[in-house]
Amino acid sequence: EPEVTQTPSHQVTQMGQEVILRCVPISNHLYFYWYRQILGQKVEFLVSFYNNEISEKSEIFDDQFSVERPDGSNFTLKIRSTKLEDSAMYFCASRTGLVTEAFFGQGTRLTVV
Amino acid sequence: QKEVEQNSGPLSVPEGAIASLNCTYSDRGSQSFFWYRQYSGKSPELIMSIYSNGDKEDGRFTAQLNKASQYVSLLIRDSQPSDSATYLCAVEGGGSYIPTFGRGTSLIVHP
Repeated sequence: EPEVTQTPSHQVTQMGQEVILRCVPISNHLYFYWYRQILGQKVEFLVSFYNNEISEKSEIFDDQFSVERPDGSNFTLKIRSTKLEDSAMYFCASRTGLVTEAFFGQGTRLTVV
Repeated sequence: QKEVEQNSGPLSVPEGAIASLNCTYSDRGSQSFFWYRQYSGKSPELIMSIYSNGDKEDGRFTAQLNKASQYVSLLIRDSQPSDSATYLCAVEGGGSYIPTFGRGTSLIVHP
């Protein structure tokens, strides 16, 4: 069964460093999302991406965040200068169209020290 | 600001019982509703989607939607200890095509 794949599963980084989280969405999906979940809190929307551009973003998605689809399969989230409060699980999700079911990757646990 | 509300629980039910999980939402224009299951430390796993008023059944799971009252519920029949997890309600529509999640309800099924 096709699935969304995320790498790495766990990333530890020092405060102020840049990190890139990678996702391979399901191959026939057109809409891509990044969510995050701080420990013990709810799943929060960061950004959506369609047709090679950002379609919506939340207040959390400030200038330190960026997304790219560098090739036909990968979808990346970059955090330029990490802060302690960026420590969270980051989930990538994809779906075939609007209002269809979104499928999540297994997540990347980011720990900023 | 779209709000999705869930009782955080925990909801504790005995094995074999029916577990009933509820979710209310603020945006009357919402069109799509999803239930996800999340085990501790894992990612959300889609259980069901529902788009129109009424019931939708899939195996042991039944989703119920009442748009007039702005609530959606999930019933789990014959609950098993393996159903113990956090159940997330996600709502979409009303001008934004972004699934918005509630905080989730923790379900504990005890043998």
